Amino acid sequence: DVRLVESGGGLVQPGGSLTLSCAASGFFFSHFAMSWVRQAPGKGLEWVAAVSGSGSGTYYADSVNGRFMIARDNSNNTMSLQMKSLRAEDTAVYFCAKDYSQRGGYFDHWGQGILVTVSS
Amino acid sequence: SYVLTQPPSVSVAPGKTATITCGGKNIGSKSVHWFQQRPGQAPVVVIHTDYDRPSGIPERFSGSNSGDTATLTISSVEAGDEADYYCQVWDTYTEFYVFGPGTRVTVL
Repeated sequence: DVRLVESGGGLVQPGGSLTLSCAASGFFFSHFAMSWVRQAPGKGLEWVAAVSGSGSGTYYADSVNGRFMIARDNSNNTMSLQMKSLRAEDTAVYFCAKDYSQRGGYFDHWGQGILVTVSS
Repeated sequence: SYVLTQPPSVSVAPGKTATITCGGKNIGSKSVHWFQQRPGQAPVVVIHTDYDRPSGIPERFSGSNSGDTATLTISSVEAGDEADYYCQVWDTYTEFYVFGPGTRVTVL
């Protein structure tokens, strides 16, 4: 079975940094694009960033471009999201999500989510 | 950027049909996917590529897409269908994944 497990969340001060990780299992990790999707408290889903199967292509929503960096390690079946210059509006549950295809498809599997709180 | 619209809420009696719309300019030319999210849980895809139903999703869930509107239909609604529903497309211009704002389905 496909399994995605996020880790690394927590409380961070505005302007601070945090790195999230996603451990994947149950599928050929390098064959699929992966994304981070977030959900602010009481709000809807927002796609944040994606990385191609090989890791050579990275893509970012305008709201995080220049502050967040997505990467993957296909040898260890893990994906990460390095977040810098964090703002209060980055407070959200962050989900790791697997694309059904190389990219541009839909998210067929999701992790359980991890909470990031940006507050002083 | 591409924008999707959804009604904030839909209320339906048990056993009746819930219809959730997702509006977007010429959305019929795109593949639309639908996610169900129950409180405190991760989203789950219930319809992908306009009308395909993943294994394990009841036949009560169906989708259509034409013109400027995609539709998720839930027939014979059950209490367990109470959740937030999101539509999603791939914007080929920006190469971004785009979600609709979500529709909360309440079973009366």
